[in-house]
Amino acid sequence: AQSVTQLDSHVSVSEGTPVLLRCNYSSSYSPSLFWYVQHPNKGLQLLLKYTSAATLVKGINGFEAEFKKSETSFHLTKPSAHMSDAAEYFCVVSAHASGGSYIPTFGRGTSLIVHP
Amino acid sequence: NAGVTQTPKFRVLKTGQSMTLLCAQDMNHEYMYWYRQDPGMGLRLIHYSVGEGTTAKGEVPDGYNVSRLKKQNFLLGLESAAPSQTSVYFCASRPLWRGDTQYFGPGTRLTVL
Repeated sequence: AQSVTQLDSHVSVSEGTPVLLRCNYSSSYSPSLFWYVQHPNKGLQLLLKYTSAATLVKGINGFEAEFKKSETSFHLTKPSAHMSDAAEYFCVVSAHASGGSYIPTFGRGTSLIVHP
Repeated sequence: NAGVTQTPKFRVLKTGQSMTLLCAQDMNHEYMYWYRQDPGMGLRLIHYSVGEGTTAKGEVPDGYNVSRLKKQNFLLGLESAAPSQTSVYFCASRPLWRGDTQYFGPGTRLTVL
């Protein structure tokens, strides 16, 4: 079984300040973890992914995330927010399910609001 | 490559009507998925397929049926639409191997009156 919890439904920051979006996961197997971004009325785009290589993962647009097994966390960060970062962010866990399939589980999403 | 495409982009149905949503991918991916997205709920898996001719239920399969007769296409059917099925539907595909990324279509906005 697997699950993912995004700890904040909304995060509000000022432009130029750091961003932290929190994600905790649970998995019976060694998981792959992903962050996706969805801009208003758009589809989902991959920001970054962890697949058991380096624990600090760098993604697009200056985002990065650190896999911490002891804390079962995969928080997303960015040093300086930009107005274009305003969007919905989804944390996803995917592990080997029964029957051999990889079925992703999505968090409920965090809405990032960026103020001028 | 067109990637993942969805047809139609918008649709309005009356309660009890039926319709089929088409998802097509040109990346030769084994896995295909149908999700629905509702406010505050994230994406919830309806059905998925691990290959041509195989389908399986996800988290919220009731009221939906699927078919994957060709590897590149994954159809989602609503036999008798209900207002509770008003949602945005996303299709995704991914390759077979562990850790591979899902590629999403642009979505279909469905309203059931």
